[in-house]
Amino acid sequence: EVQLVESGGGLVQPGRSLKLSCAASGFTFSSFAMAWVRQAPKKGLEWVATITSGGSNTYYPDSVKGRFTISRDNAKSTLYLQMDSLRSEDTATYYCAKVIWAGGYFDYWGQGVMVTVSS
Amino acid sequence: DIVLTQSPALAVSLGQRATISCKTNQNVDYYGNSYMHWYQQKPGQQPKLLIYLASNLASGIPARFSGRGSGTDFTLTIDPVEADDTATYYCQQSRNLDTFGAGTKLELK
Repeated sequence: EVQLVESGGGLVQPGRSLKLSCAASGFTFSSFAMAWVRQAPKKGLEWVATITSGGSNTYYPDSVKGRFTISRDNAKSTLYLQMDSLRSEDTATYYCAKVIWAGGYFDYWGQGVMVTVSS
Repeated sequence: DIVLTQSPALAVSLGQRATISCKTNQNVDYYGNSYMHWYQQKPGQQPKLLIYLASNLASGIPARFSGRGSGTDFTLTIDPVEADDTATYYCQQSRNLDTFGAGTKLELK
């Protein structure tokens, strides 16, 4: 059974940093691209970052480019999201998702972790 | 950026057909595939994949759900609608990076 468990969320002040983790199990982690998708309170879904299976290529939307960094440790089956220079508009639930690269869709999602950016 | 437009809400009766639309401002077809996907999200839960590449049913999803479309116009159909289908439905394109529609909230009449 595929499991994705996010951690590391919490309350952080604007301008500060936070690092999220996603522990994966139930599949060969190193064979799949992974992504982060967020959802602001009462809002829709927003793609945040994608990383290829080996970690050599990463992709971001303009809204987080230069501030967020996605990475992975295939030996630990863990995905990360380093979030720097956080803004109030980054407040959201962050989901880790497994990517089917050939189609570009997300076939499994974690339960999410809340990040609140506020002074 | 590719923008996806969905109607905010839809109300249908139990046992009837629900048709949810998603329109894009650019063609999301490429080499015979439509890079459009559908997800269901219930309150307090993570999204669940329903349909991938416009018309393929994801694993474990009942055949009441179906998807069709190409180019810039896509639909998700639920027939017949059951009480458990009340949720918000999102479309996502992966032709050029990834973007989601704003979601359509399905309610029962």
